[in-house]
Amino acid sequence: QVQVVQSGAEMKKPGASVKLSCKTSGYSFTSYYVHWVRQAPGQGLEWMGMIITHSGGAVYAQKFQGRASMTRDTSTSTQYMELNTLRPDDTAVYFCVRVGYNAFDYWGQGTLVVVSS
Amino acid sequence: QTVVTQEPSLTVSPGGTVTLTCASSTGAVTTDYFPNWFQQKPGQAPRALFYSATTRYSWTPARFSGSLIGDKAALTLSGVQPEDEAEYFCLLYYRGAWVFGGGTKLTVL
Repeated sequence: QVQVVQSGAEMKKPGASVKLSCKTSGYSFTSYYVHWVRQAPGQGLEWMGMIITHSGGAVYAQKFQGRASMTRDTSTSTQYMELNTLRPDDTAVYFCVRVGYNAFDYWGQGTLVVVSS
Repeated sequence: QTVVTQEPSLTVSPGGTVTLTCASSTGAVTTDYFPNWFQQKPGQAPRALFYSATTRYSWTPARFSGSLIGDKAALTLSGVQPEDEAEYFCLLYYRGAWVFGGGTKLTVL
């Protein structure tokens, strides 16, 4: 069965970087893209971008261009999302999502990132 | 910057019917926007309900339906159950980017 498992919670100071992981299994890794979505406390969902798993290319939301980096490791079916120059308003739960044929079907459990001095 | 608008909150009685909508600031929502719908309960990850406006997943309850109504995407719940109380988000694709609506908090009362 399809599984999407994310790494554990992180606490970072402003200005630092964080790198989250998302391990997928149960399907052909390169047949689906993986997107990243975040949700600040008590707020809605925000699309951050996607990794094109078969090529390694990435597309970012304009807001995150230059500050986010999405990569993948085909040998372990793991996706990574690194966010740099963290600010307190980056405090959020970060989700990775499997996407195929424009269907956002399987979501990870989410990773809480807290940015605080 | 595309803005996707949903009703902030709706209330429905158990057994009733309610329609949630999803509008785009760019104009009429069509299948080219690949509308997706999600349900989210507190402390949980979103759960996918529909994609491409009307296509359900194997786990989507039959009382849920997705459609395009007028110039919006719509999610209709018929025979609402207490467990349907949740926040519902729509998601639209536009010019290489995806944009979520602000969400509709559905109360079953």
